[in-house]
Amino acid sequence: QSALTQPASVSGSPGQSITISCTGSSSDVGGYDYVSWYQQHPGKAPKLMIYEVSNRPSGVSDRFSGSKSGNTASLTISGLQAEDEADYYCNSYTSSSTLVFGTGTKVTVL
Amino acid sequence: QVTLRESGPALVKPTQTLTLTCTFSGFSLSISSSSGMCVSWIRQPPGKALEWLARVDWDNDQYYSTSLKTRLTISKDTSKNQVVLTMTNMDPADTATYYCARIVDINMIIDYWGQGTLVTVSS
Repeated sequence: QSALTQPASVSGSPGQSITISCTGSSSDVGGYDYVSWYQQHPGKAPKLMIYEVSNRPSGVSDRFSGSKSGNTASLTISGLQAEDEADYYCNSYTSSSTLVFGTGTKVTVL
Repeated sequence: QVTLRESGPALVKPTQTLTLTCTFSGFSLSISSSSGMCVSWIRQPPGKALEWLARVDWDNDQYYSTSLKTRLTISKDTSKNQVVLTMTNMDPADTATYYCARIVDINMIIDYWGQGTLVTVSS
């Protein structure tokens, strides 16, 4: 099972919107709506930000949104803030009943 | 309140077998509970991406990363609220922070994570 493909880095100025893509295949991202996104600050455990493609857990800012088209899922952060600077990982269920993470994206707030 | 905590050796030698224990609270993995919960192990080499390793479900189904399947064994002890991962033939490339995490099986959400434990493989 190959890792899902994410851009290595994405940057934006405060207040701007950015989008992170996560590309897989019909055996994972394209085949199931079990795509989730995680935020990880340095030295910390990941935190769930989006589940089932577009749902936000309680307590997560509505500036975070998710979507999917075909084999590619996306995470959009609107109204970018300094605290959003972190690494972001997508995750998908697969046809083998396993899970697979993305390659990770470093978000920089300029 | 759901918590998970990893424990195990901080240093192992190449070719040795690593045994990690995840002790959890706030949910059950017993078959009788039909909890719908699972526990996974996930690792992250320094400065690199997360990698999913294995999962054990409440009904004792076990799933493994395709690339590491031959080296991994995951098991649960419901009486102790523990999940154990063993990884054989350790290599310096296996140096990483190892996390255990809870998964909700109905939608595969990884909703709670342990703090992680750093394992270094070196002679």
